[in-house]
Amino acid sequence: QKEVEQDPGPLSVPEGAIVSLNCTYSNSAFQYFMWYRQYSRKGPELLMYTYSSGNKEDGRFTAQVDKSSKYISLFIRDSQPSDSATYLCAMQGSGAGSYQLTFGKGTKLSVIP
Amino acid sequence: DTEVTQTPKHLVMGMTNKKSLKCEQHMGHRAMYWYKQKAKKPPELMFVYSYEKLSINESVPSRFSPECPNSSLLNLHLHALQPEDSALYLCASSQGGNTIYFGEGSWLTVV
Repeated sequence: QKEVEQDPGPLSVPEGAIVSLNCTYSNSAFQYFMWYRQYSRKGPELLMYTYSSGNKEDGRFTAQVDKSSKYISLFIRDSQPSDSATYLCAMQGSGAGSYQLTFGKGTKLSVIP
Repeated sequence: DTEVTQTPKHLVMGMTNKKSLKCEQHMGHRAMYWYKQKAKKPPELMFVYSYEKLSINESVPSRFSPECPNSSLLNLHLHALQPEDSALYLCASSQGGNTIYFGEGSWLTVV
């Protein structure tokens, strides 16, 4: 079993839809959870950063972490064509483990106008 | 725009060449990273520098040689690479280990 599982998609939705992206993980040492957005031929851009279970909202984006289920989600409201990208979940431990990100495979999202 | 700047954006090199990738950040971060990313794969960690000292080397072949001249700069020296080393090379930085920010990357093609 991989440490982080993420459905690679592709996922295609109409403009304005709510998008749900998810990752599961197996390592209980993970304490910090991130979502990165990566456009084609660009570096990953940090979208959301969360610690501990709960929700975090930033504009149209909401990140959820459920540590008891080892499950994290990213919701995108009112999706736009500019949201079309690959979304990578990433996790890290604390202390020395915080320097090592464990990524999911990434989900490729297309928002159709 | 990312505050981690990488140069060059594109590099083509022969298998006998020596070249370098450069990275600069002005966020005052004390940890800097090199990652390698192949098409349709997530980034893979290569090296971590913490306070200008190499702290993690993920068993990277010696044809890749990192250097951290100061807390703002990170270089990756390349020598005798193979075509399979062609990839996007990403530099990143963080304050401590958390909240890791990536640059736009350098696209490397080995011919």
